[in-house]
Amino acid sequence: AQKVTQAQTEISVVEKEDVTLDCVYETRDTTYYLFWYKQPPSGELVFLIRRNSFDEQNEISGRYSWNFQKSTSSFNFTITASQVVDSAVYFCALSELSSGGSNYKLTFGKGTLLTVNP
Amino acid sequence: EPEVTQTPSHQVTQMGQEVILRCVPISNHLYFYWYRQILGQKVEFLVSFYNNEISEKSEIFDDQFSVERPDGSNFTLKIRSTKLEDSAMYFCASSKRTGGHEQFFGPGTRLTVL
Repeated sequence: AQKVTQAQTEISVVEKEDVTLDCVYETRDTTYYLFWYKQPPSGELVFLIRRNSFDEQNEISGRYSWNFQKSTSSFNFTITASQVVDSAVYFCALSELSSGGSNYKLTFGKGTLLTVNP
Repeated sequence: EPEVTQTPSHQVTQMGQEVILRCVPISNHLYFYWYRQILGQKVEFLVSFYNNEISEKSEIFDDQFSVERPDGSNFTLKIRSTKLEDSAMYFCASSKRTGGHEQFFGPGTRLTVL
């Protein structure tokens, strides 16, 4: 079973539409961290947000907002009034303490390709 | 703003050759990572490194791979004898602390094995 599932492979919207990218995760840990990264066509990975498992408060940053719900193991990402520059692959990632390890590696989902058309 | 840098941006090599991918993490970061992304696929963890030793490695990180921090600034990934399936984008990342702190990624090195 995948630890991070991004069921939407591709989404296409028209500029100014709102769009929500889904992320469902699986973990047995009580302490874990969730992330969203953006990968624009240039290929780099850009950090967007980090949440820890004890903080279920939703967060808003400009046009971006995140909805973390432990009850459904979901950490969804909404872009309001999308713009062409939002076109990218968006990755959700889970960080949990690896068994026997001391590092919190990132486990990524397969990503969602968002295309915003003018 | 400090950033992770990687060189080269693109490396082309022949199957069986050794390659060294270089990274300069953010200077006050203590935890270092390598990930790879085969074209069009998800980003996969390879190895984490702290205090001059490997903390964890994935199944992908077999005996053909090694990492080193040869000095106070560089962090390298060596592939001893490249295979066609090693063709991928390799990302270096660093974080200030562990405990789920954000990892900052470099721009990646695209490795093409012919």
